[in-house]
Amino acid sequence: QKEVEQDPGPLSVPEGAIVSLNCTYSNSAFQYFMWYRQYSRKGPELLMYTYSSGNKEDGRFTAQVDKSSKYISLFIRDSQPSDSATYLCAMKNAGGTSYGKLTFGQGTILTVHP
Amino acid sequence: DTGVSQDPRHKITKRGQNVTFRCDPISEHNRLYWYRQTLGQGPEFLTYFQNEAQLEKSRLLSDRFSAERPKGSFSTLEIQRTEQGDSAMYLCASSLAGLRTDTQYFGPGTRLTVL
Repeated sequence: QKEVEQDPGPLSVPEGAIVSLNCTYSNSAFQYFMWYRQYSRKGPELLMYTYSSGNKEDGRFTAQVDKSSKYISLFIRDSQPSDSATYLCAMKNAGGTSYGKLTFGQGTILTVHP
Repeated sequence: DTGVSQDPRHKITKRGQNVTFRCDPISEHNRLYWYRQTLGQGPEFLTYFQNEAQLEKSRLLSDRFSAERPKGSFSTLEIQRTEQGDSAMYLCASSLAGLRTDTQYFGPGTRLTVL
């Protein structure tokens, strides 16, 4: 079983829809939670960064972390065609020897059609 | 452009050949990471450096893989005796240790195809 599970989709929504993406994880040592966006044949680009449980909002994006359920979410409001990409969740420990290592989900492919 | 750069962007090689990739991190960043990403999967951690010290290496990294960061600036990743299973995107990232977030910024990747 993978440490981080993410539904690969693909997910197709109309422009303006609210998109919900999520990941579950099994390692209770994870303390930092990130969402990256990756366009085809490009490197991942950081969207959101959250420490421990709670919500964080940045423009049209909201990240939620529920450590008790080992579940994280990313919501995209008023989705645009330019949001079409692969969305990757990533996590890391707070310290210890594996502090630097990010563990990624499989990625969810999102298409927003006009 | 002051982001992470990688060279080459694409590499096609024959099975059994050696290949070397280069990564130039963001200039003030002291941590440098290598990941591998295969089609339809998220990036997998390979190794990381703080300055010139290699602090962690994944068990996935066979003896054919070696990484260096000799002066704590750029890094190279070498794959010896390439196999078809090595075909993947090799991603480099860098970060500044000491900050709470220690955000990793990724380069565009080097796409390796082993024939």
